[in-house]
Amino acid sequence: GAVVSQHPSWVICKSGTSVKIECRSLDFQATTMFWYRQFPKQSLMLMATSNEGSKATYEQGVEKDKFLINHASLTLSTLTVTSAHPEDSSFYICSARAPPGQGFYSNQPQHFGDGTRLSIL
Amino acid sequence: AQSVSQHNHHVILSEAASLELGCNYSYGGTVNLFWYVQYPGQHLQLLLKYFSGDPLVKGIKGFEAEFIKSKFSFNLRKPSVQWSDTAEYFCAVIDNAGGTSYGKLTFGQGTILTVHP
Repeated sequence: GAVVSQHPSWVICKSGTSVKIECRSLDFQATTMFWYRQFPKQSLMLMATSNEGSKATYEQGVEKDKFLINHASLTLSTLTVTSAHPEDSSFYICSARAPPGQGFYSNQPQHFGDGTRLSIL
Repeated sequence: AQSVSQHNHHVILSEAASLELGCNYSYGGTVNLFWYVQYPGQHLQLLLKYFSGDPLVKGIKGFEAEFIKSKFSFNLRKPSVQWSDTAEYFCAVIDNAGGTSYGKLTFGQGTILTVHP
């Protein structure tokens, strides 16, 4: 079953609005969560690394003020796309990393959510 | 910066055919290598991984991959594919030069596999 829950799975909104995507770790406490963006026929591109209780680390070229990441608890990270525009339309995927000592959950680098399809009109 | 290249964007096979998906990476240091699968409408799932030791790694669902360090390759293979193997496959690499358990995953572009019954 799902280890990481991502919500919503699909969202359509008007240009200029802000959209929040939630990523929840269901079975373990995730000290680190990751946010990826995937364009059609392209790879998953890491946007930012989110550590619980601290500011996210953004990859080069990712606008911090555009993509707000909050990791307020060990099981929840949120990505808010502010003032979204059509060029922000994409597939956003989150993942969570289990700390050492979590058995199966620690046995692989990241557990992925199902992704969120964001369409900005 | 390291990069991962998957040779084919879309592979179409008939059931029982053999499969090999290419993956090359561009990093000369110590790496950890992974293959993920994404079935339609589902999340990425780990198929197999290589950290060290035997370069031939066996994963779930009959998949295996061979790490060839001299070729910077980690090709995925399956002797006989099934219709249910239809999915997108991603090769990924972690730079382990820092010696930590897990660093950042760098993904290839993905290969869509379509298996006809």
